[in-house]
Amino acid sequence: KQEVTQIPAALSVPEGENLVLNCSFTDSAIYNLQWFRQDPGKGLTSLLLIQSSQREQTSGRLNASLDKSSGRSTLYIAASQPGDSATYLCALGSNYQLIWGAGTKLIIKP
Amino acid sequence: ETGVTQSPTHLIKTRGQQVTLRCSSQSGHNTVSWYQQALGQGPQFIFQYYREEENGRGNFPPRFSGLQFPNYSSELNVNALELDDSALYLCASSDDGADYEQYFGPGTRLTVT
Repeated sequence: KQEVTQIPAALSVPEGENLVLNCSFTDSAIYNLQWFRQDPGKGLTSLLLIQSSQREQTSGRLNASLDKSSGRSTLYIAASQPGDSATYLCALGSNYQLIWGAGTKLIIKP
Repeated sequence: ETGVTQSPTHLIKTRGQQVTLRCSSQSGHNTVSWYQQALGQGPQFIFQYYREEENGRGNFPPRFSGLQFPNYSSELNVNALELDDSALYLCASSDDGADYEQYFGPGTRLTVT
């Protein structure tokens, strides 16, 4: 059974810092991996999608990597801003569903 | 291109009642998935519909049921509501099965009292 873990559960950093969020999984048989952002009480915003054949994807200040052999993905956020404050979730595409981590709650202090 | 829409936005029901949530998929998408997200947790997969047929189901009881219509819109029905059904219900659409990127609607916040 696929299990997805996100560490840390919460993170608070000063504005301007570069930071890394981690996502680990137990089964490497995945189709893709997505990183999402969720603001309090809101729905999900897709940030990056990495297909299983890819190693990384970049969008603006965001870079996500995927290492299936070690069961890990990281989301790198460069030059963090207060507007980046949100919960970040990773989700693995496996068979017909997405399997989710519980998220990392990120607070960027001005 | 119209994104995924869900209705209603918020809903309050009483324990034991029944509820229907609706989702319109993104234009061109033939697959709809439903997820339940309890407060402070990641979403949990309920089921998926592909071309009007159930294509997979998570660990939810039969009182959670669904439909997909010829225009690929979808409904989630929950009977005999329980307090633990209070959650954000998310709908996602994708193209030709779950291998492809899923696009999410804004969700329906259900409160059961």
